[in-house]
Order: sequence, then C-alpha cells, then structure tokens
Amino acid sequence: DVQLVESGGGLVKPGGSLRLSCAASGFTFNNVRMSWVRQVPGKGLEWVGRIRSKTEGETTDYAPPVNDRFIISRDDSKNTLYLQMNGLKSEDTAVYYCARDYDYFDLWGRGTLVTVSS
Amino acid sequence: EIVMTQSPATLSVSPGERATLACRASESVRTNLAWYQQKLGQAPRLLIYHATTRATGVPARFSASGSGTDFSLIISGLQSEDFAVYYCQQYNKWPPWTFGQGTRVEI
Repeated sequence: DVQLVESGGGLVKPGGSLRLSCAASGFTFNNVRMSWVRQVPGKGLEWVGRIRSKTEGETTDYAPPVNDRFIISRDDSKNTLYLQMNGLKSEDTAVYYCARDYDYFDLWGRGTLVTVSS
Repeated sequence: EIVMTQSPATLSVSPGERATLACRASESVRTNLAWYQQKLGQAPRLLIYHATTRATGVPARFSASGSGTDFSLIISGLQSEDFAVYYCQQYNKWPPWTFGQGTRVEI
C-alpha cells in the first residue's frame, strides 16, 4: 500500500525539543519532495516546511513561524522523513502531518499530535 | 504571504443537492490551486489540483473552476460521505504555501 505513517508525537514542555518521524512505503521515496503540515485541533491547515529530493540538493524551506527552530531532514535509505522541533512554544501544539509534495499534497499520513504544555 | 479566503464558513445542504464553495486569493495565483476534503478525525484528502483537475479516484460529482483570484468547488448530488470540511490551498507564491480557513459542509 502507498502510505505515510507519522510517529514521535507527545507532550513536551515549552522550550523543549521533539523529533517526529514519517515512514513512507509503496512509492519511490527518494524521488519526491516531502512536506510537513500542521493543524491545531479544530482549526485550519498550516504548511510548516518542505525538503526536496537528493537530486534537487535536499534543500529545505520553512514557514516563518518555525524558521530557525524546526529542521526537516530525510533518510532515503530508510524511506523516512524527520521533523526536529526545538524551542517549542504553546502555539506549536497541533497535529503534524507529513505529506508527499508536488506543491500540492497528494498523499497524507494520519498525523501525530504534539502538545506543548507545562 | 497570499491570504486565501473561503466562503461560506458553513454550508448547510441536503443530500442530493448541489453545493458551491468559494475560495478567493489576495493576489493572483494563476491556476496553482488545490482543494482538499477532510472528514472528522482523518487526514486531508486531495480532491483537485491545478484548479480544475480531479485527483485519482475522486468522483465526477466533484468539479472545480476558476483562475487568478476566484475559484469554486462544486459538489453535484451531495452524498452522505461528502459532508466534511473543504480547504483550498495556493501553490503559486511561497514561502509559505497557504490554505484557506475551510468551509464546513453539513446536513
């Protein structure tokens, strides 16, 4: 099956760090760009950032609210995408989705909940 | 950043009726616009990309139109499984890609 499965969410204190993972299967992971999109429970969708494929230099881009705090990486040998989140704030509380990125997002994982609270 | 505004916030329709959802961009996004459906507790699902192209497996009752700043998603003959929240997303100018705030289609 073609799918994405996120993991690593949980409760973290403000200022803390967390790393999310996204395991991909059923498609050629190393050829595609990948993004993270988040959603505050009951609210809308917010694009977080993307990583390009190795052939595109694995360059990354981030939305302004997370720039300099979040880092996206990938391990093509493991078909896995990562989101390293540092300096977490209460406003980062959300469900985090990974998505296959063709500028639009044609495949989504089920998401993992990150709660930032003391 | 480009602001995407969807209307109405909530649309009440009966099964079998037609629903028309609107999305407006704060500046032209040409045809670089996608529509997503999100059911309660589920991830978003891509319905439409490039403003009018249905994604794989999307029923023909979903259609879309528009270019520039004004776009529409039309659901003809609403079925029970179509009651959900719908989001538009622009991918013409970034960062960041931006989404509308969503339209809830309810019975």
